[in-house]
Amino acid sequence: GNSVTQMEGPVTLSEEAFLTINCTYTATGYPSLFWYVQYPGEGLQLLLKATKADDKGSNKGFEATYRKETTSFHLEKGSVQVSDSAVYFCALTPFQAGTALIFGKGTTLSVSS
Amino acid sequence: ETGVTQSPTHLIKTRGQQVTLRCSSQSGHNTVSWYQQALGQGPQFIFQYYREEENGRGNFPPRFSGLQFPNYSSELNVNALELDDSALYLCASSLSLGSTGELFFGEGSRLTVL
Repeated sequence: GNSVTQMEGPVTLSEEAFLTINCTYTATGYPSLFWYVQYPGEGLQLLLKATKADDKGSNKGFEATYRKETTSFHLEKGSVQVSDSAVYFCALTPFQAGTALIFGKGTTLSVSS
Repeated sequence: ETGVTQSPTHLIKTRGQQVTLRCSSQSGHNTVSWYQQALGQGPQFIFQYYREEENGRGNFPPRFSGLQFPNYSSELNVNALELDDSALYLCASSLSLGSTGELFFGEGSRLTVL
């Protein structure tokens, strides 16, 4: 079946530190991969996506590369800010499944100044 | 541009009751999907609607049902509530079925079943 596994949180960092949140997946076919973010008091919003192997998604200084050989889509940011504090969800949609997303459990990031 | 809005934001029901949650899609979006997010978990796909027809369903029993209206707003109905139905219910809209994974979420309706 299809599934997403994320690293357990919470992740606590100081401002300007480097961030990695690990995500691996299991899927039949060729899934599209996503990172969604949920800021306090707000709805989930798409952060970045990649639809095929070796694609790199990027947005707001965050990036993730679709690695088919390691079935991974790790989220990275070179220098985090306090405003990046949020819950981050890795997700996939199986090939041709449209908008039916399969989410990981989420990783809480807390950044202090 | 109006985003996805959901109502009510919070509600409390007792076991065995029925509940209806409502969602107004983002302007111009014709596809709506519903997710259940238990505490400390990621959202789980319930079902999606496209042009008023159910178009895909996750692993949820038939007592979870939905509707989509001509203006693309939507309802989620849950019958015979169980304690495990306590969760945040998220509605998401997308421009079309082909908008792979690009969903716009509401803030959710938090249901507590006692």
